Amino acid sequence: GQQLNQSPQSMFIQEGEDVSMNCTSSSIFNTWLWYKQDPGEGPVLLIALYKAGELTSNGRLTAQFGITRKDSFLNISASIPSDVGIYFCAGQLRSNSGYALNFGKGTSLLVTP
Amino acid sequence: DSGVTQTPKHLITATGQRVTLRCSPRSGDLSVYWYQQSLDQGLQFLIQYYNGEERAKGNILERFSAQQFPDLHSELNLSSLELGDSALYFCASSGGLAGSMYEQYFGPGTRLTVT
Repeated sequence: GQQLNQSPQSMFIQEGEDVSMNCTSSSIFNTWLWYKQDPGEGPVLLIALYKAGELTSNGRLTAQFGITRKDSFLNISASIPSDVGIYFCAGQLRSNSGYALNFGKGTSLLVTP
Repeated sequence: DSGVTQTPKHLITATGQRVTLRCSPRSGDLSVYWYQQSLDQGLQFLIQYYNGEERAKGNILERFSAQQFPDLHSELNLSSLELGDSALYFCASSGGLAGSMYEQYFGPGTRLTVT
């Protein structure tokens, strides 16, 4: 699969701060998805992006599909303790041969009260 | 709750053995995907089935196989197990009438430990 570079690897912030993380690829994707995973659980879909330049929000979360189609960004505003977890980006080619997801290595977020 | 179910939750077995992991997709979803998550490799795509037919293959070992049955549930078979096969195995589904073909919803996973 395609290699996705996700950064930062980890973040340690205070409650109320805003958070930004990003994902880059050497290849173009047709879809970008962002997931959150809690320990021992499956990834939970947060946001899906389908067009280059698209900006989509889900509550305090905002994600953007990069214009080059090789990157995506996720912002979390006014973080709260329950935002703790690992955030994954995933790129999808959507070809006739399937819709496999290529995942980044994740950003581990810790939020202190 | 994503609506995707996986059994068992935990599995402990010995090297050389064979195990079967089971997944039931969300109601109405036609596609099932299998992923492996390990500390060193992260989340890796293994295989996709669509309405009973194999659709795409990723980094799946020859010792591993999968199938999707007429009721759309899927099984992942892992044989000749090695210590390095210890990982979390996730099933995801997509393609229901009420949703997008491209958005994948993950189950809770099966944690496999090979001793």
